Amino acid sequence: GAVVSQHPSRVICKSGTSVKIECRSLDFQATTMFWYRQFPKQSLMLMATSNEGSKATYEQGVEKDKFLINHASLTLSTLTVTSAHPEDSSFYICSARDDDSYGYTFGSGTRLTVV
Amino acid sequence: GIQVEQSPPDLILQEGANSTLRCNFSDSVNNLQWFHQNPWGQLINLFYIPSGTKQNGRLSATTVATERYSLLYISSSQTTDSGVYFCALNTGFQKLVFGTGTRLLVSP
Repeated sequence: GAVVSQHPSRVICKSGTSVKIECRSLDFQATTMFWYRQFPKQSLMLMATSNEGSKATYEQGVEKDKFLINHASLTLSTLTVTSAHPEDSSFYICSARDDDSYGYTFGSGTRLTVV
Repeated sequence: GIQVEQSPPDLILQEGANSTLRCNFSDSVNNLQWFHQNPWGQLINLFYIPSGTKQNGRLSATTVATERYSLLYISSSQTTDSGVYFCALNTGFQKLVFGTGTRLLVSP
């Protein structure tokens, strides 16, 4: 079945530094990928839609200069949290939409802790 | 935007019991999926069910699109069923909007 690899699974960084999270579709091509954020005991909130070869579309209230998204190939999207602060600590999950089947597959998530 | 409400928010069951989870949505949808998020955060796709009824083992789901709701049935629950259940909808603009979730705890 379709597999999405997300790395790292867990990261701790110092306040003010940047962190990059990778989302890779292993056995299918995904022109479109999605990035979600989930706070404890809450639902998944869509942050942005990542489109290969073009700029990402950000949801209202999400700072595009803080959450940089790059989707340079049909199998890889990256999310960079720039100048991270403790309030950015959260669980980040990516999803890739299969270009052929239109199915959605989710990565295993990245738990970010900013200290 | 579309609103997606799930009920109940929390549910505690004894192993072996049956349960019904509900997902109400505010607009017509193209797609509807049910997910189980395990304690480690991994989302497992249970059903793709924009309409009708499907069954997979102890789980089944029914969506009545005209009345804007979907139901997930869990029969003979097991401790491994514990976690959070989400419905998520596709409104035709590709992105999936997630419901508020139902947190299930199945005790031995």
